[in-house]
Amino acid sequence: EPEVTQTPSHQVTQMGQEVILRCVPISNHLYFYWYRQILGQKVEFLVSFYNNEISEKSEIFDDQFSVERPDGSNFTLKIRSTKLEDSAMYFCASSVGLSNTGELFFGDGSRLTVL
Amino acid sequence: QKEVEQNSGPLSVPEGAIASLNCTYSDRGSQSFFWYRQYSGKSPELIMSIYSNGDKEDGRFTAQLNKASQYVSLLIRDSQPSDSATYLCAVIPPGSARQLTFGSGTQLTVLP
Repeated sequence: EPEVTQTPSHQVTQMGQEVILRCVPISNHLYFYWYRQILGQKVEFLVSFYNNEISEKSEIFDDQFSVERPDGSNFTLKIRSTKLEDSAMYFCASSVGLSNTGELFFGDGSRLTVL
Repeated sequence: QKEVEQNSGPLSVPEGAIASLNCTYSDRGSQSFFWYRQYSGKSPELIMSIYSNGDKEDGRFTAQLNKASQYVSLLIRDSQPSDSATYLCAVIPPGSARQLTFGSGTQLTVLP
């Protein structure tokens, strides 16, 4: 069964360092997303991406964040200068297309710990 | 402000019983509603989507939507211990194409 894969599963970094989280969405999916979940809190939308550009982003997704699809398979989230409050589980997700909005397939997540 | 509210639980039901999970949302124009299941330490997994008023059944799961009351529910029939998880209600609010707003989830425990 096709799945969304994420690496690394866990990353520990020092405050102020840059972090790149990687995702391989399901191959025939057209829309890609990043969500995050701070421990014990809600799953929060960060950004959606389609046709090589951001289609929507939340208030959380400020200038410290960026996304990229550097090749035909990977989708990355970069945090330029991490803060303590960026510690969370980051989920990548993908969906097929316009008719399945909200029907997302999530990866297993990348846990980011900022010290 | 976009809000999706759920009772955090925990909700405990005996094996074989019906579990009823409820969700309310604040944006009246919302059109798309989803239930996700999240096991502890895992990612959300889609169970049901519902877009029209009424009931939608899929196996042991029934989603119910009442847009006038801004209310979505999920019924799980013949509950199994493997259904023990946190159930997340999610909504796409008006003005968004695909930005899911999640509730905080209801923790369900099915007792053997």
